[in-house]
Amino acid sequence: EDQVTQSPEALRLQEGESSSLNCSYTVSGLRGLFWYRQDPGKGPEFLFTLYSAGEEKEKERLKATLTKKESFLHITAPKPEDSATYLCAVQMGSARQLTFGSGTQLTVLP
Amino acid sequence: GAGVSQSPSNKVTEKGKDVELRCDPISGHTALYWYRQRLGQGLEFLIYFQGNSAPDKSGLPSDRFSAERTGGSVSTLTIQRTQQEDSAVYLCASSFRGLAGNTIYFGEGSWLTVV
Repeated sequence: EDQVTQSPEALRLQEGESSSLNCSYTVSGLRGLFWYRQDPGKGPEFLFTLYSAGEEKEKERLKATLTKKESFLHITAPKPEDSATYLCAVQMGSARQLTFGSGTQLTVLP
Repeated sequence: GAGVSQSPSNKVTEKGKDVELRCDPISGHTALYWYRQRLGQGLEFLIYFQGNSAPDKSGLPSDRFSAERTGGSVSTLTIQRTQQEDSAVYLCASSFRGLAGNTIYFGEGSWLTVV
């Protein structure tokens, strides 16, 4: 069965303390892996799409990487405004919908 | 509009009543999705529309749920005889042509509370 698992479920960091979020997947025919940020009471905000193993993308303090089994979202020197739930999703085979993980709730303390 | 627009943003309804949720996708986007997100949980796929093709209804949880898309643009998600377990945020999303890898943009959601 196709699955997307995110870890940890929750992460608390001090401002400036870099860390990584993990998204592991067991799917056939990966067409794209997506990262979204979701603030409380808001819809998911698109961050990155990765298409193939070895690909990396960066935006401000965030960097996403992809291997054949997992993706990492690296957060460098985070700030309190980076606090949010980070969602990983995959698009696979001929399906056009995304299958989401349950998310990692990140809290950055000042 | 610039983004995916959903209405109402909040809806409180009594158990057993029917509700309609509306989604207006980004202009020019032919693919439209509905997802459900229960409190503290991930997003569950409900239904997908692409142009004039038959919708993918594989995620609809029961026959109380239905959706339509008129004129290839606005979509309405209808929940009949609402139950308390239907309480959730209903998120609409759209993408350009629904091709693999195309970015999928979400609206802010319609928060449904069934009392």
